[in-house]
Amino acid sequence: EVQLLESGGALVQPGGSLRLSCAASGFTFSSYAMSWVRQAPGKGLEWVSAMSRRGGTTYYADSVKGRFTISRDNSKNTLYLQLNSLRADDTAIYYCAKQGAEVVVINAYFDSWGQGTLVTVSS
Amino acid sequence: DIQMTQSPPSLSAAVGDRVTITCQASQDISNFLNWYQQKVGKAPKLLISDASDLERGVPSRFSGSASGTHFTLTISSLQPEDIATYYCQQYGDLPFTFGPGTKVDLK
Repeated sequence: EVQLLESGGALVQPGGSLRLSCAASGFTFSSYAMSWVRQAPGKGLEWVSAMSRRGGTTYYADSVKGRFTISRDNSKNTLYLQLNSLRADDTAIYYCAKQGAEVVVINAYFDSWGQGTLVTVSS
Repeated sequence: DIQMTQSPPSLSAAVGDRVTITCQASQDISNFLNWYQQKVGKAPKLLISDASDLERGVPSRFSGSASGTHFTLTISSLQPEDIATYYCQQYGDLPFTFGPGTKVDLK
């Protein structure tokens, strides 16, 4: 059974930083592209970032480009998202999601999701 | 960016009703369109990929179809456990974008 477990969410002041982690199990983590998707309270889903299976290709939403960095450690079956220069509108539940293929832009459906971790940006 | 619109924003239906949700892409995305179900307080769940491919384990009352840039999710006979918000998502181009969602509840 695929399991994704996010952690690292917290209350942080504007301008602060956080690192989110997503521990994966139940599948060959190194074979799949992975994404982060967020959901502001009471709002819809927003794709944030994606990384290919070996980490060679990364993509970001314009809203986070230059502030967030996605990475992965395939030896630890873990996906990361470094969040810098946080703003109030970054407040959201952050989900990691497994994609359907090794390449980000192929079979880009999110077939497994974690339970999410809440990031709150407030003074 | 490719804009995704969904209609209706919300609907109320009775158990057993046929429910149709539509999603329109602002430009050609071929069939690169996925549908998700999100229940309150839960993570989204993939229902349908590539416009019409039912995910394993998803009840057959769910189906998807496409016509150009217009996509449809149909629930043939609404069940109480289908109460949720439904989102479409395109991957025809980056950034991947979601529709605003359609909230389905019981009449």
